[in-house]
Amino acid sequence: AQSVSQHNHHVILSEAASLELGCNYSYGGTVNLFWYVQYPGQHLQLLLKYFSGDPLVKGIKGFEAEFIKSKFSFNLRKPSVQWSDTAEYFCALTGGGNKLTFGTGTQLKVEL
Amino acid sequence: ETGVTQTPRHLVMGMTNKKSLKCEQHLGHNAMYWYKQSAKKPLELMFVYNFKEQTENNSVPSRFSPECPNSSHLFLHLHTLQPEDSALYLCASSQDPGGGETQYFGPGTRLLVL
Repeated sequence: AQSVSQHNHHVILSEAASLELGCNYSYGGTVNLFWYVQYPGQHLQLLLKYFSGDPLVKGIKGFEAEFIKSKFSFNLRKPSVQWSDTAEYFCALTGGGNKLTFGTGTQLKVEL
Repeated sequence: ETGVTQTPRHLVMGMTNKKSLKCEQHLGHNAMYWYKQSAKKPLELMFVYNFKEQTENNSVPSRFSPECPNSSHLFLHLHTLQPEDSALYLCASSQDPGGGETQYFGPGTRLLVL
């Protein structure tokens, strides 16, 4: 069975602070990893994804994530957050098939 | 982003009612999905359709009945639901059902079962 853990359920940051959201997964084989974001009142949308190759993946709006296989982690980072980054962030994975398994999400609030 | 649309956006129904949720994708994708998002729980995959054929049923109770008449449309028929079925139901689509494919989500239907 595959699973995803996001340990930070709520994060509050001031503008310009650095962000790191944790994501750990459990799966014994090759994985595809995703970060999705849901801005207030908007659809869930893809932020970035990892298939293979360079473990440091860059996404939209200055976000990046690093796949560390030995730690079963895929943490999301941004050097300087903006108020517009306020949203809910979901880590997800697919293992052997097309079943996308999500974490519980992290609610990020960026204060001015 | 209007690639995946869902109707209705909000639905209130009694436990004896029958209703249907509709999803339409305008992206030319071949795979479609239903997810359930409950408060404080991860999104749960319910069903997967690939080229109109159901390829996954994630142990969903029979009071939820999906229908996929073509690759662009997906329905979720609801009957004799329980209050614990109240949740946000999300539809998604992807080009193909492969594990690496990006899924595109609709806005969801917020369902309340009384």
